[in-house]
Amino acid sequence: DAGITQSPRHKVTETGTPVTLRCHQTENHRYMYWYRQDPGHGLRLIHYSYGVKDTDKGEVSDGYSVSRSKTEDFLLTLESATSSQTSVYFCAISAGLINTGELFFGEGSRLTVL
Amino acid sequence: GQQVMQIPQYQHVQEGEDFTTYCNSSTTLSNIQWYKQRPGGHPVFLIQLVKSGEVKKQKRLTFQFGEAKKNSSLHITATQTTDVGTYFCAGQGGTSYGKLTFGQGTILTVHP
Repeated sequence: DAGITQSPRHKVTETGTPVTLRCHQTENHRYMYWYRQDPGHGLRLIHYSYGVKDTDKGEVSDGYSVSRSKTEDFLLTLESATSSQTSVYFCAISAGLINTGELFFGEGSRLTVL
Repeated sequence: GQQVMQIPQYQHVQEGEDFTTYCNSSTTLSNIQWYKQRPGGHPVFLIQLVKSGEVKKQKRLTFQFGEAKKNSSLHITATQTTDVGTYFCAGQGGTSYGKLTFGQGTILTVHP
């Protein structure tokens, strides 16, 4: 357990509404990631962060933004949710100050956009 | 961009049978990792392979990294019902700082 908490764990929302998912870690890890998981696609990287206020895009970043104002929190925002963003979202951290590559995942946040 | 293909997508076995999943990358990898996700759970790290031709074992699980560092496999000997879940490979290329590219996963079902 790498001390990762995701919230909310489940959310149902309507198309066009904003949604923010929160990832909180307790162990001061530098690298944090947001992935989405869909059947047949595995896990796809949305955005990642390598420090406070330092973020970059992953392979499926369109429609998503992130913020990291504190080491412990990495927020994922859907400005205007669409049905194609219905998915399970996983936050992950890479342990240690130097990225080892090994990822520890949170429990996931299941988002349904109606 | 980097692509990682994993086959098969599904595998149904009888308890006691062996199981293998294969992973192929479109580019040379610096390392490859394997994760297991139980139904309803989150991915859990199993192992990382770094060296060309590397073979690692964890009890009944054998992991291999190809000589060209573009393919990998996970083999489970004598499956048990506790092996049920989805197995993912994830490749990291160059200095991509943990930007792993995941395969689609293999869903393993074990019938008792």
